[in-house]
Amino acid sequence: TQLLEQSPQFLSIQEGENLTVYCNSSSVFSSLQWYRQEPGEGPVLLVTVVTGGEVKKLKRLTFQFGDARKDSSLHITAAQPGDTGLYLCAGNGGTSYGKLTFGQGTILTVHP
Amino acid sequence: DAGVTQSPTHLIKTRGQQVTLRCSPKSGHDTVSWYQQALGQGPQFIFQYYEEEERQRGNFPDRFSGHQFPNYSSELNVNALLLGDSALYLCASSYSTGNFYGYTFGSGTRLTVV
Repeated sequence: TQLLEQSPQFLSIQEGENLTVYCNSSSVFSSLQWYRQEPGEGPVLLVTVVTGGEVKKLKRLTFQFGDARKDSSLHITAAQPGDTGLYLCAGNGGTSYGKLTFGQGTILTVHP
Repeated sequence: DAGVTQSPTHLIKTRGQQVTLRCSPKSGHDTVSWYQQALGQGPQFIFQYYEEEERQRGNFPDRFSGHQFPNYSSELNVNALLLGDSALYLCASSYSTGNFYGYTFGSGTRLTVV
């Protein structure tokens, strides 16, 4: 069974601060996605990383896939209240198309 | 371009009853997956449908079953409802060709079992 441990579970910060969310596993994933979910809505895909060591940037968000494809991180620079939400990492197993293993999520609150 | 549509949005059922949830995938997508998300948790994979057949299944009992229609829409059925089945049920669609690059999720159906 593949497991993804996501940390921290909760983050409460002030506007303008930086933060990093971590996603770790003992399993290798063929790809890893990060999603953002708001209350009452489904998760929205932010990024997919596929290659070990890959770094992708989406405005103030930086995503990194570990060299061994077992871990990933999400770094947000100068957080804004609009960044508030639940952030989920999800790994796709090598032989399981689209059978995602999700982390338990990080609830981020950015105070003005 | 419509995204993933789920119905109903909310549902209250009594323990022991049966429920059917519906999903229309994003235009152009042919694969539908269902996830269960308990409060405060990440989604858990229930099963995936492609070409009207169940292609993969997670660790859910046989009380959970599904169907995919020729137009790619899908249903999730849960029999003999338990209190623990209360959760947000998410439908996600994707395109089967090539590598998997992520889902488009619907807004979910909030099921409450009392």
